[in-house]
Amino acid sequence: KNEVEQSPQNLTAQEGEFITINCSYSVGISALHWLQQHPGGGIVSLFMLSSGKKKHGRLIATINIQEKHSSLHITASHPRDSAVYICAVRGAQKLVFGQGTRLTINP
Amino acid sequence: DGGITQSPKYLFRKEGQNVTLSCEQNLNHDAMYWYRQDPGQGLRLIYYSQIVNDFQKGDIAEGYSVSREKKESFPLTVTSAQKNPTAFYLCASSAQDSFFQETQYFGPGTRLLVL
Repeated sequence: KNEVEQSPQNLTAQEGEFITINCSYSVGISALHWLQQHPGGGIVSLFMLSSGKKKHGRLIATINIQEKHSSLHITASHPRDSAVYICAVRGAQKLVFGQGTRLTINP
Repeated sequence: DGGITQSPKYLFRKEGQNVTLSCEQNLNHDAMYWYRQDPGQGLRLIYYSQIVNDFQKGDIAEGYSVSREKKESFPLTVTSAQKNPTAFYLCASSAQDSFFQETQYFGPGTRLLVL
C-alpha cells in the first residue's frame, strides 16, 4: 500500500461543477502540499497546510490530521482547471508524493 | 523574472552514454532538488542539496550524479549505470533547507528518452 493515496485517479466533469479530490496518507506528517501539474509538465505549488483549511480564489484545501486525510475542492470549475493535481506529504525528512489525479473539465 | 529553468526540454540518450540535465534558478534559494516522474507514479527524489558544495542522496540515487558548485546551478548527470533512464525529470528549489517544509518551486522539466 502506498503511503499516499489519491482518489479518484481520473475525473471528468462539466464546466461549473464542484470538484473534490481526496488524499489519504498512512504516515505521520508535519505538512501536506497540493500541487498542480499542467499538460506541458510544469508544476505549481498550490497549498501547503498542516491544519484546518486554506482558500485561494476558487480553490480550497482542507486537512484532518486525526483522520490522515486532505481534500482539494474547486468551485465553479473551468476548462483551464484541467490538469493533474498531486498531493505530497512531508514525512520523515522527505516528501512523499501521491500518483496524482487527472482532472478534465469539459466546456 | 525570477524562476527555475531546465534545459533541454527533450534529451535523447544512446546506450552507454552519460547525459547532463541543466537546472538553474535565480530565486536566491539555498535548497535544490531533482525528482523523477514515471507514468502512473508519484514523483521520486533523486538528489537534493541544502547548500553549495553539499548534496544528499534521495530515494533513487543509483545511476545518477550531481554537483552544486554554485548556488544557482544544480546539474544532474544520468550515467550509463542507470538502466532505465526514460522519464520526466523535474528540478525544484526552496528558500530554506528545512527539509521540505518550505514551498518548492519547480522547473518546466526535461523529458529524457533512450534511443
